[in-house]
Order: sequence, then C-alpha cells, then structure tokens
Amino acid sequence: GQSLEQPSEVTAVEGAIVQINCTYQTSGFYGLSWYQQHDGGAPTFLSYNALDGLEETGRFSSFLSRSDSYGYLLLQELQMKDSASYFCAALTGANNLFFGTGTRLTVIP
Amino acid sequence: GAVVSQHPSWVICKSGTSVKIECRSLDFQATTMFWYRQFPKQSLMLMATSNEGSKATYEQGVEKDKFLINHASLTLSTLTVTSAHPEDSSFYICSARGLGARGGDEQYFGPGTRLTVT
Repeated sequence: GQSLEQPSEVTAVEGAIVQINCTYQTSGFYGLSWYQQHDGGAPTFLSYNALDGLEETGRFSSFLSRSDSYGYLLLQELQMKDSASYFCAALTGANNLFFGTGTRLTVIP
Repeated sequence: GAVVSQHPSWVICKSGTSVKIECRSLDFQATTMFWYRQFPKQSLMLMATSNEGSKATYEQGVEKDKFLINHASLTLSTLTVTSAHPEDSSFYICSARGLGARGGDEQYFGPGTRLTVT
C-alpha cells in the first residue's frame, strides 16, 4: 500500500523558517510533490522533486532523498497568508498521486 | 493555461437521490482524470482514475456502483454519486493530466465540489 506520513500540526512565527517533513512508503515511486491548501479551497501545486536534492522556488524549497524515502518542504520568511494545510504527494508507479496525511501550519504574529 | 473547472461548486441534496459532478479541462486535452474525496481536516483520498473512452479504475474500498465515473471526452469527466447518504457528504476534487504528462507538476486540480446530503 501507499503511506506518506507528516506531522499533523506546526506553529511558527511570522518571518521565521519552518520545515515540514514527509516520510513515505510506496509501491513504485517517481517523485514527490508538495501542495498547499487553504480551508475550503483546492490544492495548489508548490513543487515537485524527481531527483535527490533541493529545489528552490522563491520562498519555498523542497528536498528529496530517495535512499531515505524522505522529503521536506522549507518555507522561509513566513507570512500570515502561509497559514494553510500542506500535503506531500507521491507520484507512483501507476502514475497516480497519493497524498500524505497533511500538516496544518499556523503562522502567528 | 492548464485550467480545470468543476460544476457545481457546492450542492445540497436529499438522502436517496443522485448527484452528478462535472470536471472539465478548459484549455488542454485531459487523457487521464482523477477523482478525490476529502473529509474535513483530512487528506485527499484517491477514489478512481479514468482514461478517456475506457472504464474507470477504482481504488480499494470505493464502490464503483455507487460512484459512477464517465470520461466520455478528452475534456470532460463526470462523477455521479448514486443513492446519496449523509456519510457521502464530503469535498470532491477532480484533477486532470494531459497526454504525455509525466511529472508530478503536470496534474492540475479543479476547485472542488462540496456535497452535503441531508
């Protein structure tokens, strides 16, 4: 089966840096995506890692280590609007996306 | 580009009735469409995958006779919740992927449909 585990909640201060981890067990693995979802909204794509290493896109960076079945999303210079749920998702051998358990990020002043 | 729409955005129906949700890719041809269900404060659960012109592939535990999926064209897939019950109340989200797409950044999500069954 597919399993992607994330911390359920994270709280951080505005302007700070926060890291959201994701460990996965999947049958077939092509890469790891990250999505942001605000309450009542649809997931918004943030990043995708097919190879090991760090991908940087503005304030957001994502890391993947295939050998450790592990990835993380790094959010820098946190803003209040970053308060949302964040999901990692594995692109599997069946070419489907399976989503992680989700992390609710709360940014406080 | 790569816009996916869903209709309706929200719907309330009575228990025992059926509800159809449409998912359209507006500016690309979607060879594969996916349907997800999300309960409050939970993750997105893949319900089924549909390829244009063929039967949908359902994930384990999803009743194919209850959740009817039709992918009749390269721009439209529909999900029909038959004989809906209150426990079917959820947020239903579709996504679409075009021909040749492979990366995890090439699956585009619709805005979702909130279904409430009374």
